[in-house]
Amino acid sequence: ILNVEQSPQSLHVQEGDSTNFTCSFPSSNFYALHWYRWETAKSPEALFVMTLNGDEKKKGRISATLNTKEGYSYLYIKGSQPEDSATYLCAFYNTDKLIFGTGTRLQVFP
Amino acid sequence: DGGITQSPKYLFRKEGQNVTLSCEQNLNHDAMYWYRQDPGQGLRLIYYSQIVNDFQKGDIAEGYSVSREKKESFPLTVTSAQKNPTAFYLCASSISGQSINTQYFGPGTRLTVL
Repeated sequence: ILNVEQSPQSLHVQEGDSTNFTCSFPSSNFYALHWYRWETAKSPEALFVMTLNGDEKKKGRISATLNTKEGYSYLYIKGSQPEDSATYLCAFYNTDKLIFGTGTRLQVFP
Repeated sequence: DGGITQSPKYLFRKEGQNVTLSCEQNLNHDAMYWYRQDPGQGLRLIYYSQIVNDFQKGDIAEGYSVSREKKESFPLTVTSAQKNPTAFYLCASSISGQSINTQYFGPGTRLTVL
């Protein structure tokens, strides 16, 4: 059974703090790693799709890195804002479907 | 507006009744997916379809059935055989089933079985 793990499970930070969290996935047969943001009462939205070892992607204050050889990806948020509060999901592409982690729930306090 | 719609938002059913959840997309996507979310768990794949008139079981297909008669529609039936159907159900679609394709999600249906 393939396992995708995210840590921490939840995170509370003050506005302006920078933060990061981890997604661990199987290091063999890698195709792609997806990151999604899921705000309360909304649908999950795609942040990044990462495919190459050493990939770095950036979208505003959010960036992600990928290490396929050791099986992890980091998501960074610089200068967190209350609107960044959401659950961040990573998903590992296996054969023909995504396997999702349980997510990291981020709350940013003003 | 292009997107995915799911209806209804909330659904209540009595134990033993079958219920069908609707999912429609106007994005012209080939692939569609049904996920289930339970507290403390990641999204789990129920069924997926990469093309019209074809679909495959996901990780937790028991007690569910689907059809894909039209490209834009992928309804999910929760049957009485599903032992614990109360959950939040998300539908998604992507251009195709390839690894690099982003999935676009609907707003979800919360099903409560009384």
